[in-house]
Order: sequence, then C-alpha cells, then structure tokens
Amino acid sequence: NAGVTQTPKFQVLKTGQSMTLQCAQDMNHNSMYWYRQDPGMGLRLIYYSASEGTTDKGEVPNGYNVSRLNKREFSLRLESAAPSQTSVYFCASSPRHLGGLWDNSPLHFGNGTRLTVT
Amino acid sequence: AQSVSQHNHHVILSEAASLELGCNYSYGGTVNLFWYVQYPGQHLQLLLKYFSGDPLVKGIKGFEAEFIKSKFSFNLRKPSVQWSDTAEYFCAVNAGGSQGNLIFGKGTKLSVKP
Repeated sequence: NAGVTQTPKFQVLKTGQSMTLQCAQDMNHNSMYWYRQDPGMGLRLIYYSASEGTTDKGEVPNGYNVSRLNKREFSLRLESAAPSQTSVYFCASSPRHLGGLWDNSPLHFGNGTRLTVT
Repeated sequence: AQSVSQHNHHVILSEAASLELGCNYSYGGTVNLFWYVQYPGQHLQLLLKYFSGDPLVKGIKGFEAEFIKSKFSFNLRKPSVQWSDTAEYFCAVNAGGSQGNLIFGKGTKLSVKP
C-alpha cells in the first residue's frame, strides 16, 4: 500500500541547474499538490492540480513549473535552481479538491524530497 | 487574507504531563479544521479533523481537539504525553478560499523527555 511516492529523496543542485521532482499516487485521487516546508514557515503551497488536466498556482509558484502527466503523476520542475529553493518538498493528494467547504478530505502526503541548492 | 497562528514554536514536556497546543485562525465563515503530525524524518499524517457537529473531536493516539467558534480556535490536547509523541504538530484550516487549499500554521515542535 504505497500511497504517495516521491523521488528522489535527496538532491543537491548547483545554482542554475534544473531538475524535476516526481510524485505518484496509487489511491485514485483526483487532486494533487506540491508544498514546500521551511523551518519556521510551515507548509506553503506551490502548485496544485484539482483534477487531471488542470494545474493552478498556489502561494509561492515563482521559479517552479508543474505537469499533471496523468491521474497518478504530478511532477514539479525547477528550471534554474536558486539557493532560496533549498527546502523540503512534499507532494500530497486528496480524493477531491479541497476548495469545497462540504469536503473534509484530508491530504495524504509523500515522504518528501530534501533539496539543497548551493 | 486567511491565516493560521500556532502560539508555541517549541514545547518541552516530561512524560505523563498534559499537553495543549494552541491554534487560532482568521476567517469569519465556515471552516474545516485539521491537525497533522510529523514524526522525525517522516511525512505529515492526519491526527484529527473537524467538519461539523460535535466541536470536541477525538483523533488517533489519544489526541483530541476542541473547536471554539467564538474564539476562532482549535486547540489540540492530550491528557498524558508519551516520549513517542515527540514530533512537530501542524494546525491547518480549509476555508474554501479561491485556491481551495489548506492553510497551514508554522508548526509547534513537541519534545517529550522520558
């Protein structure tokens, strides 16, 4: 019962390099999310995909792009990494998008990717 | 803008002590409320949630939280903590905003001394 799987677990980049963080869920969830976690900042939403075929910006989208490849997979790309993007990145999924107050579906999180940009 | 405040950055308790972690949110309408826990080196897991009905919500591992609408609060409690409760705790609010996502507090780190 894998849930939400993220790869890689760790990554070190040099400033200006690019990379893609992969995320896949096997729970047939419609909605997927990318968060970054920084000390003292909590979790901040980068991008989300309410359903297959749609993506939208979250609170801190600058410097990132996303692709909802299919219902299972939602990738996050850093085109030109910067030290300010050093963080722990979490992918999450939910059966339905969290936009409705009638819906109390919780988020299911992956184990995170620890990214360091030097 | 909607926001979530967690009052304590780091709480240190001895085993068997009682725990209360504060959480306040700024939104005047209907909300869904969550507490997540992150054990060292692990991902966030749902501890409990409030949607409607009884404002006293019971979650896993003996945790409970009380929604007090008049105070915009959703404090987390546990009568007697264990060393295994050492973790970071995040309060989150879904107010159905334009982005429709959970707004997380900055987290409270709990250290329980054996």
